[in-house]
Parts: sequence; structure tokens; C-alpha cells
Amino acid sequence: NAGVTQTPKFQVLKTGQSMTLQCAQDMNHEYMSWYRQDPGMGLRLIHYSVGAGITDQGEVPNGYNVSRSTTEDFPLRLLSAAPSQTSVYFCASRGLAGVRAGELFFGEGSRLTVL
Amino acid sequence: RKEVEQDPGPFNVPEGATVAFNCTYSNSASQSFFWYRQDCRKEPKLLMSVYSSGNEDGRFTAQLNRASQYISLLIRDSKLSDSATYLCAVSPMFSGGYNKLIFGAGTRLAVHP
Repeated sequence: NAGVTQTPKFQVLKTGQSMTLQCAQDMNHEYMSWYRQDPGMGLRLIHYSVGAGITDQGEVPNGYNVSRSTTEDFPLRLLSAAPSQTSVYFCASRGLAGVRAGELFFGEGSRLTVL
Repeated sequence: RKEVEQDPGPFNVPEGATVAFNCTYSNSASQSFFWYRQDCRKEPKLLMSVYSSGNEDGRFTAQLNRASQYISLLIRDSKLSDSATYLCAVSPMFSGGYNKLIFGAGTRLAVHP
């Protein structure tokens, strides 16, 4: 069972470069999201989606774009990387109904460093 | 004030000890509550949901105190393998509240022999 798969696991960027973090899930989950995790700040929601073609902003959306063309994929794009975007990024998904509706399934994380 | 706050710890306890963590939330209308566990350099995983009546899963007990706006996690008979960071998560009380699960920064637990 693959669950939630993120790539790449590690990335170093220079300020101003752009890149895309990939996220795919094979659980047929309607909901997908991106969080960033920084020391002392916990997990902060960047963007989320409740289905193909539907996205919305979380707490810290500036500097990031998302799209949801399929149920399985939810890429996160950094338009012009800044040192403040150095962080660990987690993709997470869940079903929208049922007893496990509140349970988020996380990918293994992507460690991004912006120089 | 942060919406969800936790004591960062670390809590250093010997094996076999009982340890308790609290997590306070600022939105009195919050709907649902969870405890996640995160091992070092790993992804968070759901430990347990927190129900209004309290719930227990083996050595772990979660409780909700709506009047004082906090949730708690009690770990009995601590094991070395319990060493991890424990994150609380709260969903706001509005339509689609689950879509914006808010996490605390986590409490680190270190269990030593």
C-alpha cells in the first residue's frame, strides 16, 4: 500500500528559482492538503482541495500555487523561492465521510532548503 | 495567542511512568479533536480521536474539557517506544471545518531506561 507519496524527499533551491513538489495518493481520497512544518510553529496549512478542480487557501498560502486536475494528484508549486520557504512540507489526504473522516494520512515529507 | 497551544517539553520520564500532556484551544466552538504522534524526522500519524466522553486505547487515555477549552493525553506505563512528539489537532466549528485542521506545535516526550 503506497498511501501518500511525495517527491522529491530533499531539494535545495536558490532564491528566485521555482519548483514543484509532487503528491499522489492511491486511496481515492477526495480531500488533499499541503502543510509546512517549522520548528516551534507546528504544522501550518498552505492549500487544500476537496476534489478535482476545487482548491482553497489555508493559513499560509502566499508564494504557493496548487491545482487538482485528478483525484490522485495535488502538486504544490513554489513560484519564486525565498529563504523563508525553507521548511519541511507534508502532503496529507483523507476521505470526506465515514468513521475515519477526521484522520489525515501524511506523506513522508519533503525537506526544502532555499539559499 | 495561537489557536492551539502545547507545552513543547521535553518531558523526560523513566520507563513505567505515567505522563500527561495538555493542549489548549482558543476557539470555544471547535468541533473535533485529535492526537497525532510524530517520530523524529517522520510524518505525523493519528494516535487517537478525542470524544466528548473521553476515550481509552490501551495505555492511552484522551479527554476533552470544553469548559476550560483543553484536551489531554495520558500515557500509562511509558515505554521507550513512546518517545516521540505528540501533536494535538483541532477542527473549527464551521461548515467544512475538517478541511482546516489546526495543529499545535507538539510536545516532545523522551522515555529513558
